[in-house]
Amino acid sequence: DIQLTQSPSTLSASVGDRVTITCRASQSISSWVAWYQQKPGKAPKLLIYKASSLESGVPLRFSGSGSATGFTLTISSLQPDDFATYYCQHYNFSSWTFGQGTKVEFK
Amino acid sequence: QLLESGGDLVQPGGSLRLSCAASGFTFSSYAMTWVRQAPGKGLEWVSVISGGGGTTFYADSVRGRFTISRDNSKNTLSLQMSSLTAEDTALYYCAKVSYSSGWSNDCWGQGTLVTVSS
Repeated sequence: DIQLTQSPSTLSASVGDRVTITCRASQSISSWVAWYQQKPGKAPKLLIYKASSLESGVPLRFSGSGSATGFTLTISSLQPDDFATYYCQHYNFSSWTFGQGTKVEFK
Repeated sequence: QLLESGGDLVQPGGSLRLSCAASGFTFSSYAMTWVRQAPGKGLEWVSVISGGGGTTFYADSVRGRFTISRDNSKNTLSLQMSSLTAEDTALYYCAKVSYSSGWSNDCWGQGTLVTVSS
């Protein structure tokens, strides 16, 4: 089974910071990666799909990149609303796998 | 919109049936998934069913104990859970699969809580 490992597990940042979260796959997974944002008590929200495509309505400060085994989610300028937990996800035609999550907290 | 229901406190070894009512899209045209989140933990994919209901897949952790199904005439997704253990305690979300978004989940319910405890 494919494993997704996110780093870091926790990230301390300030408003205006550029933030990068990494998701590494245990084997090549092409570009079948999505990123989600989850706030406490809320359902996850889709941000990025197919590694780099921005979901409709998601602010342009969010971007995704990568392929094969390495993927990144970047927030170009962290906003107060962005403090949350972020998950990467892979789809492989019969199952979905999530990374363990990265919590972005106030420095 | 997706609205889950059916979560409850159940004893170990017991059974429970979750439901997810869908609206606002052509339900039968989309695969649907269940994803769960144990308290304070990350997201775990549980199961998926095709739009027509003929194809299903399960995570290893629930295969043989959980059954996913759907009633397209009622726009309803279900998850029948049996032989429940404490490890099944979680908030269970239903989510729509978006084919145009790389088979990601573009719509989620608010979740329904399952607690397995004696």
